[in-house]
Amino acid sequence: KAGVTQTPRYLIKTRGQQVTLSCSPISGHRSVSWYQQTPGQGLQFLFEYFSETQRNKGNFPGRFSGRQFSNSRSEMNVSTLELGDSALYLCASSRGGQTNYGYTFGSGTRLTVV
Amino acid sequence: QKEVEQNSGPLSVPEGAIASLNCTYSDRVSQSFFWYRQYSGKSPELIMSIYSNGDKEDGRFTAQLNKASQYVSLLIRDSQPSDSATYLCAGEQNAGGTSYGKLTFGQGTILTVHP
Repeated sequence: KAGVTQTPRYLIKTRGQQVTLSCSPISGHRSVSWYQQTPGQGLQFLFEYFSETQRNKGNFPGRFSGRQFSNSRSEMNVSTLELGDSALYLCASSRGGQTNYGYTFGSGTRLTVV
Repeated sequence: QKEVEQNSGPLSVPEGAIASLNCTYSDRVSQSFFWYRQYSGKSPELIMSIYSNGDKEDGRFTAQLNKASQYVSLLIRDSQPSDSATYLCAGEQNAGGTSYGKLTFGQGTILTVHP
């Protein structure tokens, strides 16, 4: 079965621009979480969506936002990009119910802000 | 105390040896635990999950959870050079019994298995 698909794989943006990243979860998975990975901070949780509702949010500024569609696909948006936003952005999908069978990560989007 | 802490590493073991990776956690992440393997330039891959006290074995991998001491470990038996990667320990805080998708990761342990 298809895994978690993230697009695009690579992005180069200029400071001040905005960017939208996309994540398609595994079929049947209703929860999508987003993470930022940097060498200095490691993997940090951004937010989680389930059935089009944000259920949990990490400690990131309001420039980071997301949404989830009725087909469980999710998008993440970063506005007014800063150099420090350069990172690998990962999404993970899971069934999202009371029993957690684990989270499967996509291949990630590597964002470079110049 | 950090919510999830891994022993600092890096860890180097000879091929065929047992690699032992450890992780401690705080009360805020006390429900479910996961071990991920991440090769350089790739995304994390789930290798083990553990939810209750005791051992859980899957092939060459054994995860151990001790809730009283708040630690979780991963043993890799018969280590192979292909096991060389960064291993990430992650804990999840469940709210009201429902998963809310937030994993808290340790900083990772770099494992090198040399022939």
